[in-house]
Amino acid sequence: QQKVQQSPESLIVPEGAMTSLNCTFSDSASQYFAWYRQHSGKAPKALMSIFSNGEKEEGRFTIHLNKASLHFSLHIRDSQPSDSALYLCALPNTGYQNFYFGKGTSLTVIP
Amino acid sequence: EAAVTQSPRNKVTVTGGNVTLSCRQTNSHNYMYWYRQDTGHGLRLIHYSYGAGNLQIGDVPDGYKATRTTQEDFFLLLELASPSQTSLYFCASSGGQGTNERLFFGHGTKLSVL
Repeated sequence: QQKVQQSPESLIVPEGAMTSLNCTFSDSASQYFAWYRQHSGKAPKALMSIFSNGEKEEGRFTIHLNKASLHFSLHIRDSQPSDSALYLCALPNTGYQNFYFGKGTSLTVIP
Repeated sequence: EAAVTQSPRNKVTVTGGNVTLSCRQTNSHNYMYWYRQDTGHGLRLIHYSYGAGNLQIGDVPDGYKATRTTQEDFFLLLELASPSQTSLYFCASSGGQGTNERLFFGHGTKLSVL
C-alpha cells in the first residue's frame, strides 16, 4: 500500500512570501502526482498534477517532482490570504482505482 | 465543472441507529468513492466502485456497507452506527486512468453519532 506523508503539518507565512509544501511517497512506480486544496468548510478540489519528473508551473503555483528521491513539492509564489487552506497531496495505486492522500498541510497566509 | 451531489449535508443519529448517505454524480465517471475525513488522519478511503453493481473495499471498511445502484448513484450505509463513525464524509468521482484522473468531490456530509 502506498505510504504518503506531508510536511510540515502547518505553516504560517506573511502575504507575498514563497511557500513550500512537501510530500513523500513509498512506491517508486507511481506515475501520477496531484495536489488538492481544501478551503475551510469546503470540499477538496484538484489544484495541479504532474506525470513525469521535473517541474510544472501554473500561474503562481509550481510542482517539483523527483521520483528517485520519492518526493514532490508544491511551491506558491507571492502567497495571498486567499491561499489559506488545507493542502493535500494524492497518488493513485497502480491501476488508478484508488487514491492515497497525505494528512495535509494547513497553510495560513497573514495579510 | 463536474458535479457530485451528496445528501444530507448534516445528520445526527444515536448509537445503534441506521444511516444512509447518498451521492449522485452527473460526470459520466466510472469510479466513485467514499472517504471520511478526520483531524489527524486526513482522508481515508472507505469503499469505492468502478461501475453499477461493483464494490471494492477501501482502507477503513469496518462498520460500513456501500452499494452502487447505477452509474450515477453510490450509497454508504451504516447499519449500527457508533460514536467512532462521527466524521465528515466525502463522496468523489473520477474517470480513471487515461481519461480524467482528477477526483471531483461532493460538498460533504457531517455525521454525528451520539
